[in-house]
Amino acid sequence: KQEVTQIPAALSVPEGENLVLNCSFTDSAIYNLQWFRQDPGKGLTSLLLIQSSQREQTSGRLNASLDKSSGRSTLYIAASQPGDSATYLCAVGQNFVFGPGTRLSVLP
Amino acid sequence: ETGVTQSPTHLIKTRGQQVTLRCSSQSGHNTVSWYQQALGQGPQFIFQYYREEENGRGNFPPRFSGLQFPNYSSELNVNALELDDSALYLCASSQDRVANYGYTFGSGTRLTVV
Repeated sequence: KQEVTQIPAALSVPEGENLVLNCSFTDSAIYNLQWFRQDPGKGLTSLLLIQSSQREQTSGRLNASLDKSSGRSTLYIAASQPGDSATYLCAVGQNFVFGPGTRLSVLP
Repeated sequence: ETGVTQSPTHLIKTRGQQVTLRCSSQSGHNTVSWYQQALGQGPQFIFQYYREEENGRGNFPPRFSGLQFPNYSSELNVNALELDDSALYLCASSQDRVANYGYTFGSGTRLTVV
């Protein structure tokens, strides 16, 4: 059974910092991995999708990497802004298994 | 191109009642998955529908059931509502069963059971 964990559970940083969010999963036989952002009480906004044959994806200030052999993915956010404050979720597998999320606060 | 739309956005029901939630998939997507998200937790997979057939189910009791229609829209039905069913219900659509191109999520339906 696939299990997904995310570290840290919460993070508070000053504006402008670079930061890394971590996602770990137990079953490396995954189709793909997707990172999402969720604002309070809202749905999920897709940030990056890494397909199983890929190791990395980039979009603007965001970069996500995938290491299937070690069961890990990282989401790198460069030059954080207050608008980045949200919960970040990773999901893996065919019937997406989600981690519990990392709650990010970027302070002005 | 329209995204995934869910209705209603909010709903209040009494314990023991039945509820139907609706989802319109994104254009070109033939697969719909439903998730339950309790407060402070990640979404939990309920089930997936591919071309009108159930194609996988999570650890949810049979009182959670669904349908997918020929236009790939979908319904989630929950019978005999319990207080613990209070949650955000999310619908996601994808181009294929294994989401090779990822999932697109709707904004969710907030269900409160009193």
